[in-house]
Amino acid sequence: NAGVMQNPRHLVRRRGQEARLRCSPMKGHSHVYWYRQLPEEGLKFMVYLQKENIIDESGMPKERFSAEFPKEGPSILRIQQVVRGDSAAYFCASSPAENTEAFFGQGTRLTVV
Amino acid sequence: GENVEQHPSTLSVQEGDSAVIKCTYSDSASNYFPWYKQELGKGPQLIIDIRSNVGEKKDQRIAVTLNKTAKHFSLHITETQPEDSAVYFCAASIPGGFKTIFGAGTRLFVKA
Repeated sequence: NAGVMQNPRHLVRRRGQEARLRCSPMKGHSHVYWYRQLPEEGLKFMVYLQKENIIDESGMPKERFSAEFPKEGPSILRIQQVVRGDSAAYFCASSPAENTEAFFGQGTRLTVV
Repeated sequence: GENVEQHPSTLSVQEGDSAVIKCTYSDSASNYFPWYKQELGKGPQLIIDIRSNVGEKKDQRIAVTLNKTAKHFSLHITETQPEDSAVYFCAASIPGGFKTIFGAGTRLFVKA
């Protein structure tokens, strides 16, 4: 059973471009969470999704950021018109149910130049 | 909403000594408390967790204690080894809650 898979591991984008981050949860997990981590800081919750539904997006900026978890395929975190302040590590986690242990992927390190 | 505070931010110990990291939470409804270890360039890895119906849990050199009344929980690492060096995060979540709130992290250095 493979762990949570995130790709790409590293992503460089110029200001104004779009960034797409992908997350494939562990097999059998239908709950996906996205977190952002700035250098030397903790993990900040962004969004929680179940298959085809956004359950809680209270941590996600209202503009430029969106997330989806389609019936088939990975969860996608999309950042439009990236700015330098978007540079961070973005981690995805999955769990089989809410309020249970979540397993993290290795993260995508986004650098905006 | 839930707020989790973690102390210390940095901890340096000698190999073989014990390390203790403390966290407090604000929402008394929180009932699940995982601890994660994050090594450089990697994702957080769950090392131990505890639910509010128990006061203590142990797994080899790692133990976690929970005081529901005081709303704080602690991670204890005994007989520390250099490979224990990493950033450790505590977290708390509530039943029916959809997000786990993390502490700011503790950077642990174990000196050989």
